[in-house]
Amino acid sequence: DTAVSQTPKYLVTQMGNDKSIKCEQNLGHDTMYWYKQDSKKFLKIMFSYNNKELIINETVPNRFSPKSPDKAHLNLHINSLELGDSAVYFCASSPGHSGYGDTQYFGPGTRLTVL
Amino acid sequence: AQTVTQSQPEMSVQEAETVTLSCTYDTSESDYYLFWYKQPPSRQMILVIRQEAYKQQNATENRFSVNFQKAAKSFSLKISDSQLGDAAMYFCAYRLNRDDKIIFGKGTRLHILP
Repeated sequence: DTAVSQTPKYLVTQMGNDKSIKCEQNLGHDTMYWYKQDSKKFLKIMFSYNNKELIINETVPNRFSPKSPDKAHLNLHINSLELGDSAVYFCASSPGHSGYGDTQYFGPGTRLTVL
Repeated sequence: AQTVTQSQPEMSVQEAETVTLSCTYDTSESDYYLFWYKQPPSRQMILVIRQEAYKQQNATENRFSVNFQKAAKSFSLKISDSQLGDAAMYFCAYRLNRDDKIIFGKGTRLHILP
């Protein structure tokens, strides 16, 4: 019955590798998001998609590429991983998009560690 | 630019007591939403309470209530009858109604003392 799920929960990898994090929501929401939480717990939005269309791209390096095959899924692919990419990445979803002020529901997070 | 400030990095409260977490925000907009999220050690982000800026009445959810002062741009969270399970990081957050982006404060770590 998990509303927003992410896989994997933990990811440890070497610098320079390419990795993906998957996100799925079963809430029937139209909008999905990726957030990054750094080592100081600061949470910042990276991307949002509404019905598979990119809405927000918050000056994230182009090594990060979100992909939304359908409105229930938003995956995050990261190329050429760097030490500074180590963080917890949260996926979230909300029913609508701007103009509705909808609450966002978060997944459990993926802790990425780059060695 | 909108900002959210939580001036208390850490707080402690005795079990069963009441504690208030502070939050101020800066915006020139009038149509927005405010949220408190809780992040326990499990890392899950859990919505605690939300407030629409156009509503004067303070939101309440069981033991959690807010003191929303729109003119002062203040949005504090009061937790009554604190329980051990309330121990977590608490994030204040702001969202413009016409925008998808939530802006988070840096969080307040709340300890509950038995």
